[in-house]
Amino acid sequence: AQKITQTQPGMFVQEKEAVTLDCTYDTSDPSYGLFWYKQPSSGEMIFLIYQGSYDQQNATEGRYSLNFQKARKSANLVISASQLGDSAMYFCAMREGNFGNEKLTFGTGTRLTIIP
Amino acid sequence: DAMVIQNPRYQVTQFGKPVTLSCSQTLNHNVMYWYQQKSSQAPKLLFHYYDKDFNNEADTPDNFQSRRPNTSFCFLDIRSPGLGDAAMYLCATSDQGAPGETQYFGPGTRLLVL
Repeated sequence: AQKITQTQPGMFVQEKEAVTLDCTYDTSDPSYGLFWYKQPSSGEMIFLIYQGSYDQQNATEGRYSLNFQKARKSANLVISASQLGDSAMYFCAMREGNFGNEKLTFGTGTRLTIIP
Repeated sequence: DAMVIQNPRYQVTQFGKPVTLSCSQTLNHNVMYWYQQKSSQAPKLLFHYYDKDFNNEADTPDNFQSRRPNTSFCFLDIRSPGLGDAAMYLCATSDQGAPGETQYFGPGTRLLVL
C-alpha cells in the first residue's frame, strides 16, 4: 500500500488564486513528520513546510500553510496568492523510523502550473 | 550561507566507466543521504550515513557505494554505470535531534550514461 498518496498529477491555477495540493498518508507509527518540498525544473528540492504528528496547530510559512487533519490522515498544502514562480513539482513526504534511522517516503508529486 | 553543495551539476560517463559524485555541507549535520530520482518519479533513497554509520537500503544495487570521510563530505560511487542509472542524484542532510529533523537537499547532479 502507498504510504504517501498525491492524487493530482497536474494542476493549472490562475495567478493570484489560492491553490490546495492534496496529500494523504498511511502509518501506524504514532510519531511521524510530514513535509512538503518544491522542485523547480532546475531539480533542487526546496523545503517548504513541516508538520509534526503531535503538533496541535497547522503549520504556516509565509504563503504556505499545511492543512493537517490527523483523523483523516491528510496533510494538504495551501498556497495563497499564487505567483508565476510557484510553477514547479510539489512533493509531499513523511518521516518515519526510530532514532538514527529516520527515512523520508515521498509521494509521486503534483506538477503545478500557474497561468498568467 | 550554510548549504548543501553537489559537484558536478552535470556528469556524463560511459557505460561501465566508474563515476563518483560528491556532496559537501556547511550545515554540520550528522546525517547525510543519497537519493536517486528518475524522470517524473519521486526520489528514491539509496543509503544514508548517521555520523559514520552506513545504512544501506535493501533494494540498492551493489553497483552503488558510498563513502563519508568526514562530517562535511559524502561521495556516491557507481562502479559500473548502466544506461538505467541515468538519473538525478540528490544529496540531503539533516540534524538528528533538531525539531522536525528536516532534510535539506543540494541542487543535485544529473548523470547521463552513454
